[in-house]
Amino acid sequence: KNEVEQSPQNLTAQEGEFITINCSYSVGISALHWLQQHPGGGIVSLFMLSSGKKKHGRLIATINIQEKHSSLHITASHPRDSAVYICAVSNFGNEKLTFGTGTRLTIIP
Amino acid sequence: KAGVTQTPRYLIKTRGQQVTLSCSPISGHRSVSWYQQTPGQGLQFLFEYFSETQRNKGNFPGRFSGRQFSNSRSEMNVSTLELGDSALYLCASSWGGGRYYNEQFFGPGTRLTVL
Repeated sequence: KNEVEQSPQNLTAQEGEFITINCSYSVGISALHWLQQHPGGGIVSLFMLSSGKKKHGRLIATINIQEKHSSLHITASHPRDSAVYICAVSNFGNEKLTFGTGTRLTIIP
Repeated sequence: KAGVTQTPRYLIKTRGQQVTLSCSPISGHRSVSWYQQTPGQGLQFLFEYFSETQRNKGNFPGRFSGRQFSNSRSEMNVSTLELGDSALYLCASSWGGGRYYNEQFFGPGTRLTVL
């Protein structure tokens, strides 16, 4: 069993829909990260969470430490949100990230 | 401030050869981490260098090695290339100091194809 599990693996939605991507982890962590990867490879860090909820524009990330679960929500989705979204965890004292398998999101106009 | 740069962006090698990839971190960042991304295994941590010392290492064979220079630039080397080494190699830099995780900024990656 992977230390970090994401679901769904693929998600296709219509423009404007509310999107939810889930991440569960089985190890102790100091922080959970949501990353975005566009075609071509470049990765951008969206959120780093250790508790509660964070919001940036149309993106919201939540984490439940007790349940070892996090969600990434996208409101009013847009075709430019099409990308692979990756959940990753880090532990105290080092920069090593352990990644989920990613969710490929496609938003249809 | 310039972002993380990686050279070359694309590389084609044949089995048995060796390859060296380079990463220049954001100015002021002292930590450089390397990751391998393949369709089968996804993203995996290779190693992290901080102030010219390897601070963390992933589960990769000894054919994968790296180093960091005094200006924080880092190189990774893969010797005796295998077909399975074909991947996107990403580096990420961070300030690196302190007890807790520091946000990493990723480079565009080097796509290595082994024939």
